[in-house]
Amino acid sequence: AQRVTQPEKLLSVFKGAPVELKCNYSYSGSPELFWYVQYSRQRLQLLLRHISRESIKGFTADLNKGETSFHLKKPFAQEEDSAMYYCALTDSGGSNYKLTFGKGTLLTVNP
Amino acid sequence: DAGVTQSPTHLIKTRGQQVTLRCSPKSGHDTVSWYQQALGQGPQFIFQYYEEEERQRGNFPDRFSGHQFPNYSSELNVNALLLGDSALYLCASSLAGTHGYTFGSGTRLTVV
Repeated sequence: AQRVTQPEKLLSVFKGAPVELKCNYSYSGSPELFWYVQYSRQRLQLLLRHISRESIKGFTADLNKGETSFHLKKPFAQEEDSAMYYCALTDSGGSNYKLTFGKGTLLTVNP
Repeated sequence: DAGVTQSPTHLIKTRGQQVTLRCSPKSGHDTVSWYQQALGQGPQFIFQYYEEEERQRGNFPDRFSGHQFPNYSSELNVNALLLGDSALYLCASSLAGTHGYTFGSGTRLTVV
């Protein structure tokens, strides 16, 4: 079974502060992990995926297979980062196509 | 490029009725997945269509069915609607063999 846990429903930080959104997963196969973001009144969009190892909008996430975690980090939060963030998992192979999402974390960056 | 287009944007139905939701994938994509997002929850996978066949199904009853057309567009049908079917229904398209999913804005279904 695939499971994604985002322990924080809400996270509030001040502008310029570091931010970390937690994501833990459970999967017996070979996982591929993603972070999706949904800004107010916009559609769900891909923020980053672990295989690309990119930094998008200053966010990074490292897959830790030992701790089964994929936490999202940004050293200096900006007000425009305020959004709903979802961690998602799928299989990196070719036979399992579904994305399993966590329940999401609502990030608010205060001025 | 309009991306993924879903229609209608909002819908109100009565318990027991049937509903059809529609999705046009992003240009160049050939695979369509459907998700249900209840209030306060993350999206849940309903099924995926590729080459006009249901390729994988999530944990949803048979009341949920779908179809994919030769132009890759897709429909989601829900029969015998229950109050618990009230949710945002998201369509995501991708190119087969990739995990680059593009999501639509969704259809908000309310069952009364």
